Amino acid sequence: NAGVTQTPKFRVLKTGQSMTLLCAQDMNHEYMYWYRQDPGMGLRLIHYSVGEGTTAKGEVPDGYNVSRLKKQNFLLGLESAAPSQTSVYFCASSYGHEQYFGPGTRLTVT
Amino acid sequence: QQQVKQSPQSLIVQKGGISIINCAYENTAFDYFPWYQQFPGKGPALLIAIRPDVSEKKEGRFTISFNKSAKQFSLHIMDSQPGDSATYFCAALYLYNFNKFYFGSGTKLNVKP
Repeated sequence: NAGVTQTPKFRVLKTGQSMTLLCAQDMNHEYMYWYRQDPGMGLRLIHYSVGEGTTAKGEVPDGYNVSRLKKQNFLLGLESAAPSQTSVYFCASSYGHEQYFGPGTRLTVT
Repeated sequence: QQQVKQSPQSLIVQKGGISIINCAYENTAFDYFPWYQQFPGKGPALLIAIRPDVSEKKEGRFTISFNKSAKQFSLHIMDSQPGDSATYFCAALYLYNFNKFYFGSGTKLNVKP
């Protein structure tokens, strides 16, 4: 039981490049989330999903897209990376009030 | 607009002391208040949580105090240890609205030996 896994762990992008972050969970949770964590700003919700095939915008969705084609996977895409998207990205899944986080992806955009 | 406000931003406590972190919220519709602990390079992990109909919850050295009328809640860490050094986040959520979690800005705790 791996819980929530994220790939890659680290990535450096140049401005304008695109990439996809992959999140996978093996707990059969319906709800999945993508957050970004920046110093002094806590965790901010980017997008979330309440089930396979559904997605919704969170607090800071601009510049990101997501897809949930399979229940266990939640993908976060950056179509044209900007330096403002330098951050640590966390994926999470939840059942009831218990939310489980992945180990994070540290993304740097130069 | 930040839904949950957390203070202090950082905290230094001597080993054996009491660490206190405070949070305040505005929306009375929130129905669950968890605290998360995050070690460097790791994702946050659920530490302890409380419902708004309970004034206090204790698990080991960790206690949540909840003041519904003041819309405030706090985390107390008794007998703080160097291993407690981490970043702590409070959160609030609506259990019946897609489980949306709202996080405080975090408190970096340093427990000195």
